Amino acid sequence: DAKTTQPTSMDCAEGRAANLPCNHSTISGNEYVYWYRQIHSQGPQYIIHGLKNNETNEMASLIITEDRKSSTLILPHATLRDTAVYYCIVRVGDTGNQFYFGTGTSLTVIP
Amino acid sequence: DTGVSQDPRHKITKRGQNVTFRCDPISEHNRLYWYRQTLGQGPEFLTYFQNEAQLEKSRLLSDRFSAERPKGSFSTLEIQRTEQGDSAMYLCASSLRGWQPQHFGDGTRLSIL
Repeated sequence: DAKTTQPTSMDCAEGRAANLPCNHSTISGNEYVYWYRQIHSQGPQYIIHGLKNNETNEMASLIITEDRKSSTLILPHATLRDTAVYYCIVRVGDTGNQFYFGTGTSLTVIP
Repeated sequence: DTGVSQDPRHKITKRGQNVTFRCDPISEHNRLYWYRQTLGQGPEFLTYFQNEAQLEKSRLLSDRFSAERPKGSFSTLEIQRTEQGDSAMYLCASSLRGWQPQHFGDGTRLSIL
């Protein structure tokens, strides 16, 4: 099963870009990579997902390497409200419907 | 746009009691998922429904746990004879297709006295 590896924690200055890396070296060719974030006492919030190409939405950009073994979530102008735990997720399990969260990256945006 | 709704938000109970949680998914979503999250850890998968059929269960779902989705709409998760180790946040999610993002509720936090 594909699993993910992320740094435990990161800091980012307010207004600067936050770049959160993820390694998913065992991902298979037809599996998406999903990014979520979780603020204390709330459920995980969907940010973005991608398969092969880079993706962008109103929240973030997702850069996936050509070999698909890693990706980077980019928050272009981090604000204090972006302080959260960020999860890079792949699907695993017998039916491929389990989200594997790992332990995520705790991002702190510093004023 | 109504998101995933979970009830109750908090539950405090004594060890050995039974508890039941409810999840109402986004209305057109036919796939429903339960996860458990303990302090400092990411959510862990418990079980998955497609419509009313329970198609996958984690080994974390011991025989004290049972989940149902009788009409393919809302779901319940019951824990019998609760233990200290059951203290956690129980999260529900739903999606329209298997590959599409799962949308999460804010969870039920269970505390065992």
